Amino acid sequence: GAGVSQTPSNKVTEKGKYVELRCDPISGHTALYWYRQSLGQGPEFLIYFQGTGAADDSGLPNDRFFAVRPEGSVSTLKIQRTERGDSAVYLCASSPYPTKSTEAFFGQGTRLTVV
Amino acid sequence: AQSVTQPDIHITVSEGASLELRCNYSYGATPYLFWYVQSPGQGLQLLLKYFSGDTLVQGIKGFEAEFKRSQSSFNLRKPSVHWSDAAEYFCAVGASGNTGKLIFGQGTTLQVKP
Repeated sequence: GAGVSQTPSNKVTEKGKYVELRCDPISGHTALYWYRQSLGQGPEFLIYFQGTGAADDSGLPNDRFFAVRPEGSVSTLKIQRTERGDSAVYLCASSPYPTKSTEAFFGQGTRLTVV
Repeated sequence: AQSVTQPDIHITVSEGASLELRCNYSYGATPYLFWYVQSPGQGLQLLLKYFSGDTLVQGIKGFEAEFKRSQSSFNLRKPSVHWSDAAEYFCAVGASGNTGKLIFGQGTTLQVKP
């Protein structure tokens, strides 16, 4: 596709349920990032993939959060036992190279609401 | 610790007026600085970036920003605001380590009055 695609665009789930959020990066982009944007806040880094491996997962808030990128393209962010505090917009970004100077292209995000 | 502060949560300007959005950063070395814009229902779009060289950088949509090391600032400016500029603006700094990871400010919401 032309840009980073995230599905679903909106997800409402009950507290305690499991959810998966999907990110399709721009074709050929090796670096993929997940960010979380809470209401009224800027995006906060969660995890970064270089190819298939998670090179930096220091932003994952706890062990309920996990992400994979098995073939180095599509990534899935998985949240177990969701809590109301997990409600946020989850943003995915990709870039052709993982350097400070390379522009990251962002998807429109998945708005997760935990009720 | 690396951080970005955007002191103004909300700014309102009249259409045609000039605009300046403030950004202050905390970073030990030479920072890599970015401004992104987020319109409702849209993803973050890069307006401009600074790595080195000329401290006044030009971006898309008529925006510019000036890097001032002495003030640890990277303020965004536009001489004449259009109604379509109403959006949320984020300043970001590239985190240490060459990973492309970004640290964002809290954002400034721009409202444009007709």
